Amino acid sequence: AQSVTQPDIHITVSEGASLELRCNYSYGATPYLFWYVQSPGQGLQLLLKYFSGDTLVQGIKGFEAEFKRSQSSFNLRKPSVHWSDAAEYFCAVVTISGGYNKLIFGAGTRLAVHP
Amino acid sequence: GAVVSQHPSRVICKSGTSVKIECRSLDFQATTMFWYRQFPKQSLMLMATSNEGSKATYEQGVEKDKFLINHASLTLSTLTVTSAHPEDSSFYICSASPRGREKGYTFGSGTRLTVV
Repeated sequence: AQSVTQPDIHITVSEGASLELRCNYSYGATPYLFWYVQSPGQGLQLLLKYFSGDTLVQGIKGFEAEFKRSQSSFNLRKPSVHWSDAAEYFCAVVTISGGYNKLIFGAGTRLAVHP
Repeated sequence: GAVVSQHPSRVICKSGTSVKIECRSLDFQATTMFWYRQFPKQSLMLMATSNEGSKATYEQGVEKDKFLINHASLTLSTLTVTSAHPEDSSFYICSASPRGREKGYTFGSGTRLTVV
């Protein structure tokens, strides 16, 4: 079955430092991958997505992610973190089950930013 | 574009009562909507896939009779938590995808349900 793994439950970085959040997927074909961000008590906001084409994907808020098929990874990066980036980050993959596309989430990584 | 509205944002109900949560796609038609449940500091767990004009498809372990899903139109899906109990307290989030762009998912702002 398709799955998504986010190895880091909690990451703390200093403001202005670079950031990389890891995501590994398990999927037989070319996956459709997403990164979402969630602030406490809020819904999810799409940061970026990968369907095909250029493996380096640019998103909103200065985020980017690189799809690496050989490593089954889709890590999220940001060169300089802002305090407002503190939130929960979810990696997700589309799976097909019962004829329907479904979005399956990883466990999430909670990002804390020190001033 | 692609806005999903979810109401209510918060609801408190007494144990044994039923609560309905609405999910509307405001500017697009959605043949498929999804309902997720999220426990504190945990990930989103897919509960069911709501299909316009047909029965919902529930994930394994989700009680169909407790979580009733109706997708009566291309812009509205509802989740009714029947005979709610304190263990049903959770954050419920819906998601929808525009017709023809099934890979683009937009999420509602979520509903915090507290059963007392």
